Amino acid sequence: DVVLTQTPSTLSATIGQSVSISCRSSQSLLDSAGNTYLYWYLQRPGQSPQLLIYLVSNLGSGVPNRFSGSGSGTDFTLKISGVEAEDLGVYYCMQATHAPWTFGGGTKLELK
Amino acid sequence: EVQLQQSGAELVKPGASVKLSCKTSGYTFSNYYMSWLKQMPGQNIEWIGNIYGGNGGTGYNQKFKGKATLTVDKSSSTAYMDLSSLTSEDSAVYFCARPYYPGPSYFDYWGQGVMVTVSS
Repeated sequence: DVVLTQTPSTLSATIGQSVSISCRSSQSLLDSAGNTYLYWYLQRPGQSPQLLIYLVSNLGSGVPNRFSGSGSGTDFTLKISGVEAEDLGVYYCMQATHAPWTFGGGTKLELK
Repeated sequence: EVQLQQSGAELVKPGASVKLSCKTSGYTFSNYYMSWLKQMPGQNIEWIGNIYGGNGGTGYNQKFKGKATLTVDKSSSTAYMDLSSLTSEDSAVYFCARPYYPGPSYFDYWGQGVMVTVSS
């Protein structure tokens, strides 16, 4: 199975600070058709995960543009440009290039 | 509005089975797959498998073969997951979630999750 390693596991930030989360894959997530099925989700406390970014860098519906995704192959990054209080929770990367689909271990974003 | 409504929390004894439901509304059930996922307390999310609402075709994570059985009832637009021979390792929150595409995809709608506790 593909292992996704997220760093850091915990991130402390102040409101307005810009932060980045890394997601590294044990295998390339680029498929033979040139697609990279890498996604980012946010799970707020007591809620279900919600999509932030799809296909590495595309913003999900209704997601604020302070969120951005980048990367290729095995290295991917989620950036939040100016953290807001509603951004607190656990961030997960997920891949669907290789079966079984797998998730990273999560990065908890908390207020400093 | 698309909604995925899951059944309530379950407390089950070791060795028993449990059937979880995910009742959908707001879209054509038979045109989409449904996935099930497991989240143990404070831990990672695991994908269990997919089932197609149109014909009940399934795909499983090898890890959950023999543990989870996915079914659908098109007449009620409901997806089900049977979990068998439960142990403490099966205590977790289980989500149903709709893949946006029929192939490799993200999940655009999620159920609220259901806590399953395995305890004597």
